[in-house]
Amino acid sequence: AQKITQTQPGMFVQEKEAVTLDCTYDTSDQSYGLFWYKQPSSGEMIFLIYQGSYDEQNATEGRYSLNFQKARKSANLVISASQLGDSAMYFCAMRDASGYALNFGKGTSLLVTP
Amino acid sequence: KAGVTQTPRYLIKTRGQQVTLSCSPISGHRSVSWYQQTPGQGLQFLFEYFSETQRNKGNFPGRFSGRQFSNSRSEMNVSTLELGDSALYLCASSPGLRGSNEQFFGPGTRLTVL
Repeated sequence: AQKITQTQPGMFVQEKEAVTLDCTYDTSDQSYGLFWYKQPSSGEMIFLIYQGSYDEQNATEGRYSLNFQKARKSANLVISASQLGDSAMYFCAMRDASGYALNFGKGTSLLVTP
Repeated sequence: KAGVTQTPRYLIKTRGQQVTLSCSPISGHRSVSWYQQTPGQGLQFLFEYFSETQRNKGNFPGRFSGRQFSNSRSEMNVSTLELGDSALYLCASSPGLRGSNEQFFGPGTRLTVL
């Protein structure tokens, strides 16, 4: 069975600084996909970035990058130049063996301070 | 392109009642997945529909059911509501291809059971 672990319940970062949100996973599948979502207080899940297990390069999307270390089974999200609007819950997720459902971690609450 | 829409956004019901939630996916997307989010259990997968067929199901009791229409809109129904069903219900829209890295969420329906 798959498992996603986010060990940081809460994180603080100062505006304009970079922050890394940790995510480790466990799976016996050879092919898998990893996602990061942002959930503001409004509740909507906003897709940030995706990494396939066979992708050789780390995924990047604007200020978001994914530090993918396959041997260590980690997929940490790096947010560069934090903004006040980045304050939200962040979830790491993995597509399950069926290919259609996502398994989520418990999330990390990020607070960006001025 | 319009995003994923969910109606209603908020709902208050009493124990024993039933409820129906609706989700309209992004135009052209044929897959709709449903998730339940609670403070205690986090985000949990309910089921996924593709072309009017349930392809995948999570570990929820039979009180939770769903369906998908020919226009890809989906509904989920919860019968005999319990206090523990109070949650944010999120639906996600995807093209439906196995392993797709696109899964976009709606704003959610917040259900309160009294």
